[in-house]
Amino acid sequence: GDSVTQMEGPVTLSEEAFLTINCTYTATGYPSLFWYVQYPGEGLQLLLKATKADDKGSNKGFEATYRKETTSFHLEKGSVQVSDSAVYFCALSGSSSNTGKLIFGQGTTLQVKP
Amino acid sequence: EAGVAQSPRYKIIEKRQSVAFWCNPISGHATLYWYQQILGQGPKLLIQFQNNGVVDDSQLPKDRFSAERLKGVDSTLKIQPAKLEDSAVYLCASSRGQDRVPEAFFGQGTRLTVV
Repeated sequence: GDSVTQMEGPVTLSEEAFLTINCTYTATGYPSLFWYVQYPGEGLQLLLKATKADDKGSNKGFEATYRKETTSFHLEKGSVQVSDSAVYFCALSGSSSNTGKLIFGQGTTLQVKP
Repeated sequence: EAGVAQSPRYKIIEKRQSVAFWCNPISGHATLYWYQQILGQGPKLLIQFQNNGVVDDSQLPKDRFSAERLKGVDSTLKIQPAKLEDSAVYLCASSRGQDRVPEAFFGQGTRLTVV
């Protein structure tokens, strides 16, 4: 079945460091890919998405490119801030065996220190 | 626009007791989802409704979990009887359901502790 694998956390960075959180997926067909973020005490929020191969999703300085050849959707940010501290979830939806539900990775905790 | 509303925010019960969670989706959203998020894991779909019909309940433990979405608007998820392993955050989400790539909006969740 469909699945998403993320790098294990926690990831601890200093402010202004470069961030990469790896995400790979297994799915039939052509899924859409998402990054969701969960700030402390808040609900899940969509951060960015990509719906087809080679698409780049971007938001709030974060970027991720849909790489079908490597089945990956790695999240990157050039310069992280303390306010980016949160749990980040990679997810997929819309593969040929999928009804539109989201399938999530296990989440990666990011802690940014001043 | 108002977001997805869930209640209660927190609940502590003893094992073998029953509990119910309520969700009011964003107005006009046809699709409603219930996810279970166990500590340290990503959310897992329990049940998906399209209006008031069930689209996917393959991961719902039907011997103890039930859900309904009367009139295709708000929804209730019930656990009876609860087990220790049901301790988790229960997330409700909704989407318009008409888009090829529906964007799901999540509520803040209900944190259930079973002791």
